[in-house]
Amino acid sequence: EAQVTQNPRYLITVTGKKLTVTCSQNMNHEYMSWYRQDPGLGLRQIYYSMNVEATDKGDVPEGYKVSRKEKRNFPLILESPSPNQTSLYFCASSLTGDNEQFFGPGTRLTVL
Amino acid sequence: LAKTTQPISMDSYEGQEVNITCSHNNIATNDYITWYQQFPSQGPRFIIQGYKTKVTNEVASLFIPADRKSSTLSLPRVSLSDTAVYYCPLLLTGGGNKLTFGTGTQLKVEL
Repeated sequence: EAQVTQNPRYLITVTGKKLTVTCSQNMNHEYMSWYRQDPGLGLRQIYYSMNVEATDKGDVPEGYKVSRKEKRNFPLILESPSPNQTSLYFCASSLTGDNEQFFGPGTRLTVL
Repeated sequence: LAKTTQPISMDSYEGQEVNITCSHNNIATNDYITWYQQFPSQGPRFIIQGYKTKVTNEVASLFIPADRKSSTLSLPRVSLSDTAVYYCPLLLTGGGNKLTFGTGTQLKVEL
């Protein structure tokens, strides 16, 4: 089944404890992206990747890192999480980026 | 960045046609108009995409006037399972292929 998977689905952590949210797609898509969704603000793009080893900042990149060493994986790294990063995170992928984006199921992160 | 404006909520009944309008007055030449559906605790799901005029697929139609400053998503004969939030993000091609989401329209379908 064609899909985007994220892990973990739920995470509660404390300020400053490094964490990684994994994202994987099995559709051989070139483009991958991370969004965060907050009440009243909609979804905002954090980082995106046009292809392997090609990543760039979105609208709200502060406090996040990404890497794209393999085509299928696009992990989101929070080196020192803070409470304002408490949010619902979605990974998405697209064949070339200018067409339909497939979203993962989401990761709900709480930083205490 | 171009911003989209939609009604906060809409109500309908099963079997009716629903039209949701989105305003995007500052749409750029490189922007495509897309519509996504989101259920609680799930990621958004693609419905339809267009640049101008009319686009139709198996689930919806998208109407875009010549000036492209608005668009209308038409859902024929809705059912209870169409109750969801609908977004009309603009897809900025060539600039990160970013979807710029607004706050969406909560559609509620009743019997």
